[in-house]
Amino acid sequence: DGGITQSPKYLFRKEGQNVTLSCEQNLNHDAMYWYRQDPGQGLRLIYYSQIVNDFQKGDIAEGYSVSREKKESFPLTVTSAQKNPTAFYLCASSGARLGRETQYFGPGTRLLVL
Amino acid sequence: RKEVEQDPGPFNVPEGATVAFNCTYSNSASQSFFWYRQDCRKEPKLLMSVYSSGNEDGRFTAQLNRASQYISLLIRDSKLSDSATYLCVVKGMDSSYKLIFGSGTRLLVRP
Repeated sequence: DGGITQSPKYLFRKEGQNVTLSCEQNLNHDAMYWYRQDPGQGLRLIYYSQIVNDFQKGDIAEGYSVSREKKESFPLTVTSAQKNPTAFYLCASSGARLGRETQYFGPGTRLLVL
Repeated sequence: RKEVEQDPGPFNVPEGATVAFNCTYSNSASQSFFWYRQDCRKEPKLLMSVYSSGNEDGRFTAQLNRASQYISLLIRDSKLSDSATYLCVVKGMDSSYKLIFGSGTRLLVRP
C-alpha cells in the first residue's frame, strides 16, 4: 500500500534531550513537510523540503532540525532548544508541481515532555 | 489578520440537517483551495478540492467566491459520522507548494 508512515506513535522526551521523529513515504512525492499542532489550534509549518538535499524553514523552525538525504525520508529532530515541544507532530508529502500540491498526511507522533 | 480564518464552532446540529461553513482568506492571488477533515486525535484527510466553478461530491458541496475571498462547504443530510473538525486550506503564493491551514471548524452531529 502506498502511504506515509510516522514513528513512533508516542514519544517521551526528558529535559535537555534531543529526539528524532521518523517520516517515510512511498508515494514517490518530491515534497515533504513537518507540521506541529497544539490542542484546539491549526497546523503550523516547521520545515519543508521540495527536493532531496534541500529544505527550508517554515513559520516555527526554531528548536527543530531536519535532513532530506533520500526522497522517501524526512526525519525531524526536536532539540533541547525547543522549550515547549509537547504537541502532535504531523508529516505530509505532496507532488511538487502546480496542480499536484495536495498534501497527504501520516498518522502523526505525539511528543510529551517528562 | 490571519491568512485563513474560520469560525471555530462548534456547530451542533441534528442528524439530517444541512450545515454550512465559511472560510475567508487574505491573499487575493491564491490559486488552490481545499477542505480537509480531521477526526479527534487523527491526521487531517483531504475531503475535497475547491474549484472556481464550485464542485459537489455526494452530500458535500464546495464553493469559491474570489471577489469576496471566501470558500464555503455545505453538508447536506448530516450523518453522525460527519462529526469532525473541518479545515480550510489555501495554497501559499510563494514559489513553494506550502499550504496555509485554517484553525478548523468543529462539527458535532447529534442523534
